Amino acid sequence: DQQVKQNSPSLSVQEGRISILNCDYTNSMFDYFLWYKKYPAEGPTFLISISSIKDKNEDGRFTVFLNKSAKHLSLHIVPSQPGDSAVYFCAASDGSSNTGKLIFGQGTTLQVKP
Amino acid sequence: KAGVTQTPRYLIKTRGQQVTLSCSPISGHRSVSWYQQTPGQGLQFLFEYFSETQRNKGNFPGRFSGRQFSNSRSEMNVSTLELGDSALYLCASSFKAPWGEQYFGPGTRLTVT
Repeated sequence: DQQVKQNSPSLSVQEGRISILNCDYTNSMFDYFLWYKKYPAEGPTFLISISSIKDKNEDGRFTVFLNKSAKHLSLHIVPSQPGDSAVYFCAASDGSSNTGKLIFGQGTTLQVKP
Repeated sequence: KAGVTQTPRYLIKTRGQQVTLSCSPISGHRSVSWYQQTPGQGLQFLFEYFSETQRNKGNFPGRFSGRQFSNSRSEMNVSTLELGDSALYLCASSFKAPWGEQYFGPGTRLTVT
């Protein structure tokens, strides 16, 4: 039972354009969502997060949108840069569980072409 | 502020042996979580410790165990290693999980032969 899904295994965009990575979840108890970037043989690097009381959060080139009714979130990267090429994971947590357990999606590999 | 550190970075063990991995969280963080990453299963939650208490445990066999010390440093142990335990083991620390960001260490790459 995969509670967090990233249906696109890969995405390729041109440098300077927008990258949109998508994530769907099934558990309505999830109330905190995070995006991570990961390079091979390294730990995930935290990018941006959003609480379920918000529908948008921005940090520089990164914006996360949350649509609770659709149980969908997306990460927008504008403008995309070659250094953004990596695997991106979305993750979710259930605050009522009072634990730090994160449920991760399977990841989307982003390639930004110069 | 120093990040999350994990030791060792690489480890090769033989089936049947046991292994202990260490994680030092960011200073001030009391929550430490452990994850296993494999190509087929992605990132899977192992367990989380907060103030020396295990708050949650994932669906892993009892061969996987952990503990946390009073300085928030954490160790995980895997006994009777199997080939399928070969993976990248990651720990993450947080100041206010579950509502705060979690920061990951570089991981320990375990290879079981």
